[in-house]
Amino acid sequence: DAKTTQPPSMDCAEGRAANLPCNHSTISGNEYVYWYRQIHSQGPQYIIHGLKNNETNEMASLIITEDRKSSTLILPHATLRDTAVYYCIVGQNSGNTPLVFGKGTRLSVIA
Amino acid sequence: EPEVTQTPSHQVTQMGQEVILRCVPISNHLYFYWYRQILGQKVEFLVSFYNNEISEKSEIFDDQFSVERPDGSNFTLKIRSTKLEDSAMYFCASSEGFDGLSSHTDTQYFGPGTRLTVL
Repeated sequence: DAKTTQPPSMDCAEGRAANLPCNHSTISGNEYVYWYRQIHSQGPQYIIHGLKNNETNEMASLIITEDRKSSTLILPHATLRDTAVYYCIVGQNSGNTPLVFGKGTRLSVIA
Repeated sequence: EPEVTQTPSHQVTQMGQEVILRCVPISNHLYFYWYRQILGQKVEFLVSFYNNEISEKSEIFDDQFSVERPDGSNFTLKIRSTKLEDSAMYFCASSEGFDGLSSHTDTQYFGPGTRLTVL
């Protein structure tokens, strides 16, 4: 089973920041937090990952709490194309680790 | 940007027939994976493959499934005798592998998927 808990759905106005929370209270010290998204039935798309420091790339920012028990994915200026199911996954950053997907958060960006 | 490709995009087959789903992983990647997603359900891990061997497999990956890397670029999933419940999206993924020096090396990148319909 997935080691993460996410709200089933969220709405966000276009152009505003989308903040997607994730709880992972049982995360181990060597486990990373990964975020993927899936648009319709397309393949999951990698967004970002981190261990304990906050991370930012061209798609999003990842804020991880100091105790690492939760994190937030931030899409700074959501567009209609960001409407998707967002998955928060914890796992080791070693070769060959299966990703365990939960149900994710269905983000709807509204014009 | 390099990407994982999969063919065909949609495969329709009769129950009991064999199907082969094909994937071309990203060229410098060493780990390969298959996942599936039944309509409306979660993405589920099937199998991982490294150095021409299965590394790990789930309970779903029973004797009717097999994987192969027949040449230097393709990675295939064969379902020997398809059942109605095999109807799903099948996603291939690949990752570079962990070199111990970077936190970015074992990210799994997914292909667009093959929709398998078993009639």
